[in-house]
Amino acid sequence: AQKITQTQPGMFVQEKEAVTLDCTYDTSDPSYGLFWYKQPSSGEMIFLIYQGSYDQQNATEGRYSLNFQKARKSANLVISASQLGDSAMYFCAMREGRNTGNQFYFGTGTSLTVIP
Amino acid sequence: GAVVSQHPSRVICKSGTSVKIECRSLDFQATTMFWYRQFPKQSLMLMATSNEGSKATYEQGVEKDKFLINHASLTLSTLTVTSAHPEDSSFYICSARGGAPGNEQFFGPGTRLTVL
Repeated sequence: AQKITQTQPGMFVQEKEAVTLDCTYDTSDPSYGLFWYKQPSSGEMIFLIYQGSYDQQNATEGRYSLNFQKARKSANLVISASQLGDSAMYFCAMREGRNTGNQFYFGTGTSLTVIP
Repeated sequence: GAVVSQHPSRVICKSGTSVKIECRSLDFQATTMFWYRQFPKQSLMLMATSNEGSKATYEQGVEKDKFLINHASLTLSTLTVTSAHPEDSSFYICSARGGAPGNEQFFGPGTRLTVL
């Protein structure tokens, strides 16, 4: 089974609107971390936000928030007030266990296009 | 935050030649480094995990004799693509992690390899 599933290959959003990028995960480890990365056309992986499996509150970082629903095993990324510079690929990732040296499992990504 | 560099950022080579890609942690000692490959419009796939001073652990399906990984120092890991062929053309990304508990992984900017 896929560890990380992103079901939206491409998304469009109007500038200044909010958009939600979906991510579901599969693990039997009670301890895990969920990450979102942005990858612009340059290729660099830009860290956006992190949610730990034991975190009680949803993570927020500026315009980014993570809608963490543990029972449903979903970790959707919400981008508020979209900007043209948000156009990029977005990857959801998971790391199992407490060791930060454990490998990342990446989803297939969602291509976001912000329309002026 | 911690910085990881990769060199070169782009390389074009002829089929049959070998190419070496460097991954450096610039301001921390990386006990563990990861090498990923990303084909166009696809996700990152882990190729191997390398720990300083020991042999790399390769993922299933990755030829260790073709993708030579050396992690000889705490700040440098190299990936050598031997006898490169056009199907090896891809985007190669490394990530690095320090040795202290809780240290996060940081991604390099990637290297785009084109084999003619």
